[in-house]
Amino acid sequence: DAKTTQPPSMDCAEGRAANLPCNHSTISGNEYVYWYRQIHSQGPQYIIHGLKNNETNEMASLIITEDRKSSTLILPHATLRDTAVYYCIVRVGTGTASKLTFGTGTRLQVTL
Amino acid sequence: DSGVTQTPKHLITATGQRVTLRCSPRSGDLSVYWYQQSLDQGLQFLIHYYNGEERAKGNILERFSAQQFPDLHSELNLSSLELGDSALYFCASSVRSGRADYGYTFGSGTRLTVV
Repeated sequence: DAKTTQPPSMDCAEGRAANLPCNHSTISGNEYVYWYRQIHSQGPQYIIHGLKNNETNEMASLIITEDRKSSTLILPHATLRDTAVYYCIVRVGTGTASKLTFGTGTRLQVTL
Repeated sequence: DSGVTQTPKHLITATGQRVTLRCSPRSGDLSVYWYQQSLDQGLQFLIHYYNGEERAKGNILERFSAQQFPDLHSELNLSSLELGDSALYFCASSVRSGRADYGYTFGSGTRLTVV
């Protein structure tokens, strides 16, 4: 699985959009971009994933650059409950042997 | 409630002892993954089972073993425990699909403290 690079920490004011970047310059054509988050010692929570098109769900939007070498997770209106560590992961999306490899992630602090 | 059940939630035991952590995957999920999260190590993949068969191994110590039973629940056995084994142990499950799967669903974890 390709390696990802994320900033170690970010701050965001409550109510504003949180834009979390991820670099995955060595991504392969069959690798998907996944985002998870972990709120203080809870189990990681799936947020969103995509291959090459931008994706949106009830939690967030995922913007993937045309060359697929980077992506941005957008939380449109961050709340205090969004304070967590956010993990960007790339992996082959099919096959039962494919595992998720977590890096160090970005610690997002949402403040009043 | 994610649908993945891990028991016990907390476990305190002495060095040298053996413990068993249990995981029940979401209904219909065939894959179970085990992860270890220590304070200084982040989330480390240990092992993956699919429908009762071991499919992938990560940095799992020889003192650790796992299995997945016919009813798809899984157990992680940790033996000859050392202080450094103190960690959160997470189980996750996923369902195989013909296309990309929709990621893992994690349980709330078992916090193991070795004293």
